[in-house]
This record gives sequence, C-alpha cells and structure tokens, in this order.
Amino acid sequence: GAVVSQHPSWVICKSGTSVKIECRSLDFQATTMFWYRQFPKQSLMLMATSNEGSKATYEQGVEKDKFLINHASLTLSTLTVTSAHPEDSSFYICSADSFSGRAKYEQYFGPGTRLTVT
Amino acid sequence: AQTVTQSQPEMSVQEAETVTLSCTYDTSESNYYLFWYKQPPSRQMILVIRQEAYKQQNATENRFSVNFQKAAKSFSLKISDSQLGDTAMYFCAFINTGTASKLTFGTGTRLQVTL
Repeated sequence: GAVVSQHPSWVICKSGTSVKIECRSLDFQATTMFWYRQFPKQSLMLMATSNEGSKATYEQGVEKDKFLINHASLTLSTLTVTSAHPEDSSFYICSADSFSGRAKYEQYFGPGTRLTVT
Repeated sequence: AQTVTQSQPEMSVQEAETVTLSCTYDTSESNYYLFWYKQPPSRQMILVIRQEAYKQQNATENRFSVNFQKAAKSFSLKISDSQLGDTAMYFCAFINTGTASKLTFGTGTRLQVTL
C-alpha cells in the first residue's frame, strides 16, 4: 500500500519550452502533496506544498510563476516547469502524506523525474 | 526553524558488520517525529524507520534500530548485519506535528557496504 507514481520518469526538453510532471497516489487519497528538487549528491529541497483544491504554498526563493503546481484531485498533483532553462535541469520528486493511522506524518515518495533542459 | 545535521558525509562498512549513522537536530518544539529514509541508486526514497518524540522506547525494524536521545537531540541509526543492498544515501528527517507537515532533511550520509 501507499504507492506514489510519477510520470514521466525522464524527460528532455528544449530551452524555452514547458514540461509537466504528474504525481499520483495510487492506493490512497492524499490531502497534501509535496514537491522536492534534488541536485546530484545533495539532499532534497522542498519547493512547495500543495493541498487539494487550493493554491500551493511555495518555499522562499522558489518562483511560483516558473513552477506551476496544480492539485486538482485527492490523487493527482502536477508540476509544470514553464519556459525551462538549463539551470532547471534537476531531479524532481513528489511525495504525499496520508494523515491517518500509524502512517500519520509519514510521506510516501514517488520515484522521481529527471529533467534535462538542452 | 528546525535544522537536521548529519556529520558523516560518507561511511563504509563490511558486509555482516554493524554501522551507526549519526544525526542531530535542533528544535524548540516538544511534539515531533523523526525518520530515517534510504535512497538507493534508483533514487527512490524508502522509509527505513520512524520515531515518535513522545515515546522513550527506541524504534526497531528488523536489522535497523535507532538510539533516540531526546535531551541531547540525537537520533542515530544502527544497521546490524549489513548487506550489500544497504548501500545507499541515508537521510535523517524531522517533522513538527504542530505545524504544517513539512519534512526537514539532513544533508545525508552515503553508506557503502563492501564485501
């Protein structure tokens, strides 16, 4: 149980284009989803927190107009990198929490998406 | 603000041996959870073990156990009978239950298990 998927797992796009990454909770409803960015050999950096049906809360320093987050349902959140540039190349990871039972406060992570902007 | 410190960037252990990864944290909160996550080369984050701050008993999960010292704000992970599959990045993480559930991660420890 508590599986989170991400699609695509790997994407290459040209500079100036936009790319959308999907994050789905497959077997549970996720009130809250999180988007992280991870540079090579570094820790996870929280970009934003999204709650179903409301606007995402972005961490300081994260451009909300560049990284558009939509949490349209209890099982789907999307991250759109708009007008991507090479410096946006990174590994993006989503997670979801269950807020219930023994798993309260645990976050379940997706497998990540490697974005390369050329 | 909460901070999590992992002072060992890299560690190595031989197969079947025991290794301990260190983690310290700083918080003024009294209600929180602590986690150890594993990130193998596949980069999939996997929960290894969790500890509720209000519990004095150290959590254990098979070969994995923690030494939780609340007063010292220390949360170390012990891996017994290390296996090659334990090779991964290990991240210590903290979450304050009183506010929005944002995980704060440490910088990670790269563990290499050798033959």
